[in-house]
Amino acid sequence: SQKIEQNSEALNIQEGKTATLTCNYTNYSPAYLQWYRQDPGRGPVFLLLIRENEKEKRKERLKVTFDTTLKQSLFHITASQPADSATYLCALGWSGGYNKLIFGAGTRLAVHP
Amino acid sequence: DTGVSQNPRHKITKRGQNVTFRCDPISEHNRLYWYRQTLGQGPEFLTYFQNEAQLEKSRLLSDRFSAERPKGSFSTLEIQRTEQGDSAMYLCASSLPGRTREQYFGPGTRLTVT
Repeated sequence: SQKIEQNSEALNIQEGKTATLTCNYTNYSPAYLQWYRQDPGRGPVFLLLIRENEKEKRKERLKVTFDTTLKQSLFHITASQPADSATYLCALGWSGGYNKLIFGAGTRLAVHP
Repeated sequence: DTGVSQNPRHKITKRGQNVTFRCDPISEHNRLYWYRQTLGQGPEFLTYFQNEAQLEKSRLLSDRFSAERPKGSFSTLEIQRTEQGDSAMYLCASSLPGRTREQYFGPGTRLTVT
């Protein structure tokens, strides 16, 4: 069956450390993968997109990797801050379609001072 | 703020009633999506519009659900004969065509069916 798995347990880390979140998928062949941030009671906010032919993307303190052989993406936040505390969602997308996204359940990140 | 807006933000209704939600996308975005999100889960795709045409509907969208985007601008999502299982956050998103893939989400409408 088709599945997207993200760490189901909350990730607790100390301020200043690097947070690493995983997104694994099975029986999908996405053309690209996106990461979104969601705060309680609000809609998701787009962070980064990485295409199937890209290995790594960076944006400020964020880094995403995409391994289509392992069917896995890793999302890193370096020098984490309490303001980074939120739920992070990965989403798979396909070319030639309507940009419909299939989302994982998300991982809650808590950064402690 | 010129982001995606949704109204109402919260709706409490009794089982069996009909409800309608509205989404106003970012003005130059011709693509509009509806998603449903329940607690602890990611958003689930419901339907997609390109301009006024509804091009895809999920199997989740039973015949009690209908969505419209009559002039290619705002969209409405109606749920008829609501059931308790319809309680969720209903999210609207919009995007530009082309290689830009990111979707801009509204704040959502939280529906509670009692």
